[in-house]
Amino acid sequence: GQNIDQPTEMTATEGAIVQINCTYQTSGFNGLFWYQQHAGEAPTFLSYNVLDGLEEKGRFSSFLSRSKGYSYLLLKELQMKDSASYLCAVMDSNYQLIWGAGTKLIIKP
Amino acid sequence: DTAVSQTPKYLVTQMGNDKSIKCEQNLGHDTMYWYKQDSKKFLKIMFSYNNKELIINETVPNRFSPKSPDKAHLNLHINSLELGDSAVYFCASSQDVGQLYEQYFGPGTRLTVT
Repeated sequence: GQNIDQPTEMTATEGAIVQINCTYQTSGFNGLFWYQQHAGEAPTFLSYNVLDGLEEKGRFSSFLSRSKGYSYLLLKELQMKDSASYLCAVMDSNYQLIWGAGTKLIIKP
Repeated sequence: DTAVSQTPKYLVTQMGNDKSIKCEQNLGHDTMYWYKQDSKKFLKIMFSYNNKELIINETVPNRFSPKSPDKAHLNLHINSLELGDSAVYFCASSQDVGQLYEQYFGPGTRLTVT
C-alpha cells in the first residue's frame, strides 16, 4: 500500500526554526510536494522536490532523500501567520498525488 | 479574480438526496481534480480529468459522478447521499498532468449529511 507519515502536531516559538518531517512509501515516485493549509481554507502550494537535496525559497526550505523515502520542510524566522497545517504529498507512478494527513503547526509568542 | 471557484461553500442535506457541487477555473488549465478531505484531514483524490480522459479512484462509490461541460468546469454530482459522505470537497486544477505542475485549489465545499 501507499503511505505518507508526518507528525500530527508540532509547537514552536515565534522567531524560531522548525523542521517538519515526512516519510513515504509509494508505488513509484514523481516528486514530493509541500502545501500549507490554514484552518478552514484551501491548501496552497509551498514547494516541490524531485531530485535529492535542498530547495530554498525565502524562509521556507524543503529537503528530499529518495533513497530514504524522506523529506522535511524547514521554516525559519517563524511568524504567527505560519500557524497552519503542512501537508506532504507524493506524486506516484500514475501522476496522482498521495497525501499525508498533515502536521498542525502551532506558533506561540 | 478567483482562480478556482466552487459553489456552494456550505451544503447541508438529508440522507438519500441528490446534490451537485460546481467548480470553475479561469487559469486555462487542462487538468481538474476532485478531492475529499475527511475529519482526519486526509486529502483523497476522487477524480482527475484531463483532455476528456477521466481517471477514477477505484475506491470512489459510483454514486459520485464528475461532469465536465468544458475544460474550465468540472462539477461533482452525488446520488443517494449517505452520512459518511459528510466532508469537505475540494476542486483543484493544474496546467497539465505531471510532476512539474502544482495544483491550485478551490475554497472547498463543506457537505453535511444529516
